[in-house]
Amino acid sequence: EAQVTQNPRYLITVTGKKLTVTCSQNMNHEYMSWYRQDPGLGLRQIYYSMNVEVTDKGDVPEGYKVSRKEKRNFPLILESPSPNQTSLYFCASSRPGTGNEQFFGPGTRLTVL
Amino acid sequence: GQSLEQPSEVTAVEGAIVQINCTYQTSGFYGLSWYQQHDGGAPTFLSYNALDGLEETGRFSSFLSRSDSYGYLLLQELQMKDSASYFCAPMDSSYKLIFGSGTRLLVRP
Repeated sequence: EAQVTQNPRYLITVTGKKLTVTCSQNMNHEYMSWYRQDPGLGLRQIYYSMNVEVTDKGDVPEGYKVSRKEKRNFPLILESPSPNQTSLYFCASSRPGTGNEQFFGPGTRLTVL
Repeated sequence: GQSLEQPSEVTAVEGAIVQINCTYQTSGFYGLSWYQQHDGGAPTFLSYNALDGLEETGRFSSFLSRSDSYGYLLLQELQMKDSASYFCAPMDSSYKLIFGSGTRLLVRP
C-alpha cells in the first residue's frame, strides 16, 4: 500500500530534550516536506527536500533541522524543543512538478512542556 | 508577498450545494490545488487546476480564473461525511504549495 508513515504519532516531552520525528514513504517520491498545523494558522511549511541531499527552508524553519540521506526517509529533528513547538506535524511527499498530489502522513501530535 | 483568502466557516444542509471561494496572491503561479481534512486526520488531495475553467470529479468540482487570481470548490449533493476543513493551495514558482487556514464546512441534517 502506498503510504507515508510517521513516528511517533504522539509525543509529550520537556523543554530542551532533543527529539526526532521520523517520516518514510514507499512511493519513490523525490519531493518531501514537513508542515506544522496550529489552530487558526493552517498548514505552514517547515522544510522541504527536492531530492536526496537537497533540503531547503520553508516558512517556519527556526528550531528545526532535517536531513535527506535516503530517498524514502526525511526525519525532522528538534535539537532543543521549546513550548512554542507544541503542534501537529505532518510529513508529505510527492513527485516534483506541478499538479502532483501531495500524500500526507497521519500526523504527529507533539507537546513540549 | 503571498496571501490567501478563503472563508473560515461555511454551514450547509445535507443534499444542498456549497461553494468555497479562494483568492490568492503568490510569487509566480502554476496552479491551484484543493485538499480536504477531517478532524484528527491528514489532508487529502481533491483536485488541481492548472488552466482556467471547471474540473469535475464526481460530486466535487473546482474552478480557476488565473486572471482574477480566484478559484472555488463546488460540492454538490452534500453528505454528512463532507463535514471537514477544505484548503485551497496555490502552487508558487518554486513548486511550493501555499496553505492557508482553510474553510471549515459543517453539513447539517
